[in-house]
Amino acid sequence: DAGVIQSPRHEVTEMGQEVTLRCKPISGHNSLFWYRQTMMRGLELLIYFNNNVPIDDSGMPEDRFSAKMPNASFSTLKIQPSEPRDSAVYFCASRDSEAFFGQGTRLTVV
Amino acid sequence: GNSVTQMEGPVTLSEEAFLTINCTYTATGYPSPFWYVQYPGEGLQLLLKATKADDKGSNKGFEATYRKETTSFHLEKGSVQVSDSAVYFCALRNYGGSQGNLIFGKGTKLSVKP
Repeated sequence: DAGVIQSPRHEVTEMGQEVTLRCKPISGHNSLFWYRQTMMRGLELLIYFNNNVPIDDSGMPEDRFSAKMPNASFSTLKIQPSEPRDSAVYFCASRDSEAFFGQGTRLTVV
Repeated sequence: GNSVTQMEGPVTLSEEAFLTINCTYTATGYPSPFWYVQYPGEGLQLLLKATKADDKGSNKGFEATYRKETTSFHLEKGSVQVSDSAVYFCALRNYGGSQGNLIFGKGTKLSVKP
């Protein structure tokens, strides 16, 4: 398996634009997580899914953020409209007995 | 609630020095601790884990023992190398608690100088 695949690796966008981050989990993993990493706040859990159903989205910062998992092999995290303070590295992880992380998407909102 | 507290960094060591990064936690249910490592520009990778009290996890010369009585899972390595320079995260998965996710500490940045 190629591991957890995230795209794009880097995204630079202007404030106010919509941003969509994508994740393909490892086949067979039932749980999927979205994390955000910044220097100030470290690694924060945004949302996690179990069997494609959102279980805990209490970490989603505000209504501008939304996440979907239409099937077991794909998830998206959308920010609309984006703001400079959303600049961070966003990680997706999937889990069976342990969590495997993707390489992250570095988002810069200017 | 559940939480993980780990030693703040950054930590700077010379090659072949001894490393300890402390990690303690609070949890209800049946916690299971992990250490993850993040090399520059990459995602987190599992370094080692323990599944029950007094278990010792080990990998790449790193070790950590799950001490239930002190709710700790300190990371140690007897002789660090430059290639160990990375950020280390202590994490906890709490079975039987209200969360099924991993809870991470804030990370400890390790720099090893030749």
